Amino acid sequence: KQEVTQIPAALSVPEGENLVLNCSFTDSAIYNLQWFRQDPGKGLTSLLLIQSSQREQTSGRLNASLDKSSGRSTLYIAASQPGDSATYLCAVRTGTASKLTFGTGTRLQVTL
Amino acid sequence: DAGVIQSPRHEVTEMGQEVTLRCKPISGHDYLFWYRQTMMRGLELLIYFNNNVPIDDSGMPEDRFSAKMPNASFSTLKIQPSEPRDSAVYFCASSFLSGYTFGSGTRLTVV
Repeated sequence: KQEVTQIPAALSVPEGENLVLNCSFTDSAIYNLQWFRQDPGKGLTSLLLIQSSQREQTSGRLNASLDKSSGRSTLYIAASQPGDSATYLCAVRTGTASKLTFGTGTRLQVTL
Repeated sequence: DAGVIQSPRHEVTEMGQEVTLRCKPISGHDYLFWYRQTMMRGLELLIYFNNNVPIDDSGMPEDRFSAKMPNASFSTLKIQPSEPRDSAVYFCASSFLSGYTFGSGTRLTVV
């Protein structure tokens, strides 16, 4: 059974700092990995999708990497802004299954 | 594209009442998923459909929960009878080939 872990559970950084969020998964036979953002009381917004054959994806100030063999992914946020404050969720699609297994998320607060 | 549309956004009901949550997936998406989110348990998959057919309902907590997808553009999740422990945010998501798109969710409160 796939298990997804995210550390840290919460993170507070000053504006402008670069930061890394971590995601680990137990079954390396993944199909893809997706990073989401969730604002309080809102739904999930997809940030980046990495296919199993890819090593990284970039969108603006965000860069996600994937190391299947070690069961890890990182989300790098450059030059953080207060608007980046949200919960970031990592989700893995394993093998031929279509369902996603979610991590418990990292709650990020970027302070002025 | 209006995205995945869920209704209602908020639902408050009394214990024992029937609750029906609705979802309209993105046109052309062939997978539809129902998730439940709570502080204690995070996001849990309840059930998912492929081409309107239920594929995996192992996450449905009890027989009080049921889901249908009568056509490619509509799905319902029903709880009957509802209990206070069903209080949560229920998300619908749809997918085609790879990435998921989530709806805004229905916040259910059972009192």
